[in-house]
Amino acid sequence: GENVEQHPSTLSVQEGDSAVIKCTYSDSASNYFPWYKQELGKGPQLIIDIRSNVGEKKDQRIAVTLNKTAKHFSLHITETQPEDSAVYFCAPYAGNMLTFGGGTRLMVKP
Amino acid sequence: KAGVTQTPRYLIKTRGQQVTLSCSPISGHRSVSWYQQTPGQGLQFLFEYFSETQRNKGNFPGRFSGRQFSNSRSEMNVSTLELGDSALYLCASSLGIAEVAAKETQYFGPGTRLLVL
Repeated sequence: GENVEQHPSTLSVQEGDSAVIKCTYSDSASNYFPWYKQELGKGPQLIIDIRSNVGEKKDQRIAVTLNKTAKHFSLHITETQPEDSAVYFCAPYAGNMLTFGGGTRLMVKP
Repeated sequence: KAGVTQTPRYLIKTRGQQVTLSCSPISGHRSVSWYQQTPGQGLQFLFEYFSETQRNKGNFPGRFSGRQFSNSRSEMNVSTLELGDSALYLCASSLGIAEVAAKETQYFGPGTRLLVL
C-alpha cells in the first residue's frame, strides 16, 4: 500500500509570512494529489489539487508543486492570515483510494 | 445547496454493542465514502458506495459494514464494538462520474464522534 509522510507536523508562522508543507509518497502509480484543510469541529475541505501531468498549480494565495521523480508534492501558502490556522492533510491517490498523511497543524500568529 | 449531513453528531456506546451511523450526501451526488479518523492512525478509508453497491474497500475488519439506499443516503454499521473503535467517522460524497470516488472532489460532512466505553 501507499506510504505517506507529511512534514512538519506543526508549523507556527507570523501573519503575512509564507508556509510550506511537504508530502512524500511511495507509490509511483499515484496520479492525483489533493490537499485538505480541516478546521476544528469540521470535516476536511479540499483546498487545492494537482494531477500527475502538471508540475504546479496556483489558486490565489495557495499553490501546490509536484515532483513525480522524487515522489513528493508540497503546499505553499503565501501571505498567511489567522483564518489559515487549521490542520492540513495531503492525500495522494493510489489503489482506488486516498491515503492521508499524518497532518500538519498550522498556527498563524496575528 | 445543503452540504453533507451526518447523524448523530455524537454517540456513546459500550463494548460489544453495535452502532449505525447515517450520512446524507449533497443532492445529486451518487457516491458516498466513509473514513475513520483517530489521533493514532489518522484518517483512513473504510469503503465507498455507488449506486447501492460497495465499489471500493479499505483495510478494515468485517465488523465494519455499510449500505447505500436508492436516494444515495448511506449508513455505516459497526458490530461488536471495541474500545479502539472510538473515533470520528467521516462521510464524504462526490458526483460519482469517475470510476473511483477518490479521483473526484470529495465533500466531507462534519462527522460523527463515537466514544466506546
